[in-house]
Amino acid sequence: KQEVTQIPAALSVPEGENLVLNCSFTDSAIYNLQWFRQDPGKGLTSLLLIQSSQREQTSGRLNASLDKSSGRSTLYIAASQPGDSATYLCAVEGWDNAGNMLTFGGGTRLMVKP
Amino acid sequence: DAGVIQSPRHEVTEMGQEVTLRCKPISGHNSLFWYRQTMMRGLELLIYFNNNVPIDDSGMPEDRFSAKMPNASFSTLKIQPSEPRDSAVYFCASSLVSRTDTQYFGPGTRLTVL
Repeated sequence: KQEVTQIPAALSVPEGENLVLNCSFTDSAIYNLQWFRQDPGKGLTSLLLIQSSQREQTSGRLNASLDKSSGRSTLYIAASQPGDSATYLCAVEGWDNAGNMLTFGGGTRLMVKP
Repeated sequence: DAGVIQSPRHEVTEMGQEVTLRCKPISGHNSLFWYRQTMMRGLELLIYFNNNVPIDDSGMPEDRFSAKMPNASFSTLKIQPSEPRDSAVYFCASSLVSRTDTQYFGPGTRLTVL
């Protein structure tokens, strides 16, 4: 059974800092890993999708890496801004006897202080 | 495009009542997803449609839950009869082709069952 863990659960940093969010998963047999952002009262926004054959994806100030063999992914945010404050979720897609499945981590709640 | 549209945004009902949540995916997207988010269990995938056909409903908690997609622009998630433990935020998402593509989430429906 796939388990996804995100550390830390909460993070508070001053504006301008570079930061890393961590995601680990127990079963390395995955199709892909995705990072989402969730703002209070709003839906999820997909940030980056990494296929199992890829090692990283970049979008603007965001860079996500994937090390499938060790079951880890990191989301790197450069030059953080107050607008980056949100909850960040990682999710892995895999499969089991019941079929395809999408498993989410518990999220990291990020606060960037001006 | 207005993005994924969900209605209602908030629903308060009494135990035993029927609840229907609605979703309009992004035009041209072929895949639609229903998720449930709770404090205890985080975000869970309930069901996944591709080209209006349910592909994976292994996440549907029990027979009280049913989902339909009568056409490419509309889906419903119905709970009958509702129970207090069904209280959660329900998200709908859509993606262009399949579940491996980036998913775009709606704002969610906050359901409270008294």
